[in-house]
Amino acid sequence: GESVGLHLPTLSVQEGDNSIINCAYSNSASDYFIWYKQESGKGPQFIIDIRSNMDKRQGQRVTVLLNKTVKHLSLQIAATQPGDSAVYFCAENSGGSNYKLTFGKGTLLTVNP
Amino acid sequence: DARVTQTPRHKVTEMGQEVTMRCQPILGHNTVFWYRQTMMQGLELLAYFRNRAPLDDSGMPKDRFSAEMPDATLATLKIQPSEPRDSAVYFCASGQSRLAGAYNEQFFGPGTRLTVL
Repeated sequence: GESVGLHLPTLSVQEGDNSIINCAYSNSASDYFIWYKQESGKGPQFIIDIRSNMDKRQGQRVTVLLNKTVKHLSLQIAATQPGDSAVYFCAENSGGSNYKLTFGKGTLLTVNP
Repeated sequence: DARVTQTPRHKVTEMGQEVTMRCQPILGHNTVFWYRQTMMQGLELLAYFRNRAPLDDSGMPKDRFSAEMPDATLATLKIQPSEPRDSAVYFCASGQSRLAGAYNEQFFGPGTRLTVL
């Protein structure tokens, strides 16, 4: 079946650097994408979302880029802080569903002081 | 601030025992989701409720799992009998479905870590 996947399972950066986490999706009918952050022992927390009619969306220190041509999603974190250390998941609304999400396997981001 | 709550946070049980996990959605939310998270499979949707009605339980093993919403403030997920392969973290999430056809944000609870020996 179609699924969301991640290129890198782990990413280690220095505090203050910018981080880029990548994600590939395969369901071309999905039209809504979300990045979640999951800290140890907690549930996923919404970071930022983007609809398929956009290619870029910015939040506070985070930017999501969507490339529909190659079915690629990325999360950029500016000036990465130790508190950003977590597992990051991308998710797509499966085939355009208004409730069902397909999650990627996650990328562990470690921020070194 | 408003949060999804789940109990218990941790559960260790023996194979064959019944397990009941509870979730209190955020007040006013009309959608509830149950997910299972494992290292191998990641996050998988087990069940989806809207206005307390089960709309999608295709991800749930029917022979041993059951999900219900006795009222708007309580959702339950039961496993009977439990098996070692059920060991995972089970998350509940809730949301407010407003617009037909529009995806609506889900707010996750802290999860129940289940270990079946």
